[in-house]
Amino acid sequence: TQLLEQSPQFLSIQEGENLTVYCNSSSVFSSLQWYRQEPGEGPVLLVTVVTGGEVKKLKRLTFQFGDARKDSSLHITAAQPGDTGLYLCAGMSDKLIFGTGTRLQVFP
Amino acid sequence: DAGITQSPRHKVTETGTPVTLRCHQTENHRYMYWYRQDPGHGLRLIHYSYGVKDTDKGEVSDGYSVSRSKTEDFLLTLESATSSQTSVYFCAISPLGSPSTDTQYFGPGTRLTVL
Repeated sequence: TQLLEQSPQFLSIQEGENLTVYCNSSSVFSSLQWYRQEPGEGPVLLVTVVTGGEVKKLKRLTFQFGDARKDSSLHITAAQPGDTGLYLCAGMSDKLIFGTGTRLQVFP
Repeated sequence: DAGITQSPRHKVTETGTPVTLRCHQTENHRYMYWYRQDPGHGLRLIHYSYGVKDTDKGEVSDGYSVSRSKTEDFLLTLESATSSQTSVYFCAISPLGSPSTDTQYFGPGTRLTVL
């Protein structure tokens, strides 16, 4: 069974702080996606990374795919309350395998 | 927003009763998926469909069945609900299914409580 472990599981920070969320696996994935989910809603895709070592930026969010395509990180600069939510990584093999999730709370 | 609706949005039922959840899409996407979401487990795939009457099992399919008689509808049935099936259920759709850059679009979820 392929597993994607995310860390930390919970994160509470003040507005303006920086943070990094990690997504790790022992399996190789052809691509990796990051989703954000708000309470009462389904996950929404933020980004897809395909190439080992790839870095993508989405405003204050920076996503990196590990060289070996087994891990990924999400870095948020100057977090804002609107960043609050559940962040899920998902690795693509023959199916999409979701990570365990990181719940982020950003306080004003 | 992708045109995906789920019904009901909330349901409370008793152990041993049958339950059917419905997912409806207006996007004409070929692939449809049912996931369950539980704390500490992320999203886990229950069943998926790659066309009308074409379905396959996912990671946690025991106790669940599905049917897809029309492109737009994908039904998830719990034949005899158990307390371990208390969860939030999400439907997702995607146009391509397998390619590495495909995107899944999720519905709003159904919160099911089995007493």
